[in-house]
Amino acid sequence: AQSVTQPDIHITVSEGASLELRCNYSYGATPYLFWYVQSPGQGLQLLLKYFSGDTLVQGIKGFEAEFKRSQSSFNLRKPSVHWSDAAEYFCAVLAGGTSYGKLTFGQGTILTVHP
Amino acid sequence: KAGVTQTPRYLIKTRGQQVTLSCSPISGHRSVSWYQQTPGQGLQFLFEYFSETQRNKGNFPGRFSGRQFSNSRSEMNVSTLELGDSALYLCASSLPQKGGSYEQYFGPGTRLTVT
Repeated sequence: AQSVTQPDIHITVSEGASLELRCNYSYGATPYLFWYVQSPGQGLQLLLKYFSGDTLVQGIKGFEAEFKRSQSSFNLRKPSVHWSDAAEYFCAVLAGGTSYGKLTFGQGTILTVHP
Repeated sequence: KAGVTQTPRYLIKTRGQQVTLSCSPISGHRSVSWYQQTPGQGLQFLFEYFSETQRNKGNFPGRFSGRQFSNSRSEMNVSTLELGDSALYLCASSLPQKGGSYEQYFGPGTRLTVT
């Protein structure tokens, strides 16, 4: 069965600093990978996705992520963080085959941004 | 295009009661997935429906059920509520296409409190 690990429960950065959120997955084949963001009391917003092709994918709000098959990782990055980026971030994997509609999520990383 | 809508947004129920939550997917989306989000267990997959058929189910007791209508709207039902059912219930829709486009778009969720 597939699994997702986000090693960092909580990350604090200063506004304007760069950001990298880590995500490792476990799955036998090439999975579909996603990053979502959730603000308090809200649903999840899709930041970006990886299905195939170019391993560096661009998303909304200036985020990007790099798929590294050799490391089973899909880390999220942003060169300069804004105070409005403070939220919880989830990495997710969608397995193929008969895992219809089933996203498996990591435990999330809470991002705090200091002014 | 309107996003995924969920009703009601908030619910308070008593142990032993039952509850029905509703989800309207993005127009044209035929797949609807449901998730439960709690602080302790994180985001967990409940089930997925496509063309009125349940194609996938997570590890939840039979008290959790769902259905999908011909217009792709979906409902989930929880019978005999327990305190542990208190959670944010999220619905997501997608337009599954072979070869790509499996991303899910989430609604704002229904916050269920069981007392």
